[in-house]
Amino acid sequence: DAMVIQNPRYQVTQFGKPVTLSCSQTLNHNVMYWYQQKSSQAPKLLFHYYDKDFNNEADTPDNFQSRRPNTSFCFLDIRSPGLGDAAMYLCATSRDLSTPSAYEQYFGPGTRLTVT
Amino acid sequence: AQSVAQPEDQVNVAEGNPLTVKCTYSVSGNPYLFWYVQYPNRGLQFLLKYITGDNLVKGSYGFEAEFNKSQTSFHLKKPSALVSDSALYFCAVSAASGGSYIPTFGRGTSLIVHP
Repeated sequence: DAMVIQNPRYQVTQFGKPVTLSCSQTLNHNVMYWYQQKSSQAPKLLFHYYDKDFNNEADTPDNFQSRRPNTSFCFLDIRSPGLGDAAMYLCATSRDLSTPSAYEQYFGPGTRLTVT
Repeated sequence: AQSVAQPEDQVNVAEGNPLTVKCTYSVSGNPYLFWYVQYPNRGLQFLLKYITGDNLVKGSYGFEAEFNKSQTSFHLKKPSALVSDSALYFCAVSAASGGSYIPTFGRGTSLIVHP
C-alpha cells in the first residue's frame, strides 16, 4: 500500500546531542511537510518542500534543519535538542499545490522524541 | 491571514446519538476545508474535504460535513456515534488566493463517545 513511513517511531536523545528523524513516502507526492505536535495541540508547521523548493516557516528555530535528497525521502535534523523540543514530529505529504483538489495531506504515524 | 476556530476542546456524546464537532474559519477568497482525525500516538488521517460544489460533503467512516458560506462554518457530523469514533479531530483551511495553500489547522476537538 502507498504510504508515508516514519522511522523511528520513538527516539530518545540527550540534551544537545544531534538527532535525525526520517520520513519516506511511496505516494510519489510533490510536497512534503514536517510538523511538530505537542500534547494534543494543533500540529505546528516547521517547513515544507514543494518538489525541491524548501520553505521555512518564519518562526521555525534555526536549530531545526531539513533535507530532501529525492522525491521519496525527507529528513528532519535537530542540531542541539533542548528539553522543549520533546514532541511528536509528523511528516506529511500532499500530491501537489497547483490545484485545491490535491491539497489534502497524508500523514505518517509520527516519531515521538524524548530529550533527556 | 487565514485561521480556524474549533470552539470546543471536548465533545461528549453517547453511543448511537448524533454528533457534531464545530469549526469556523476565516480566509480571504474561496476556502478549501478539511477534516482530519487523530487516534492516540498516531498521525492525522484525512476524513473529508470541501473544495467546491455540493455544500454537504461525505467522507470516511460515515462522517459528513456541511459547508455554510454565510456562517463561515464547516461542522463535522455523524448520525450515529460509535465508541471507536473517540479521537482528536482537526479542522483545517487552505486558500489558493488571499491566503496560503498550506493548510492552517484548528487546535483540535477531543471527541469522547460513551458506551
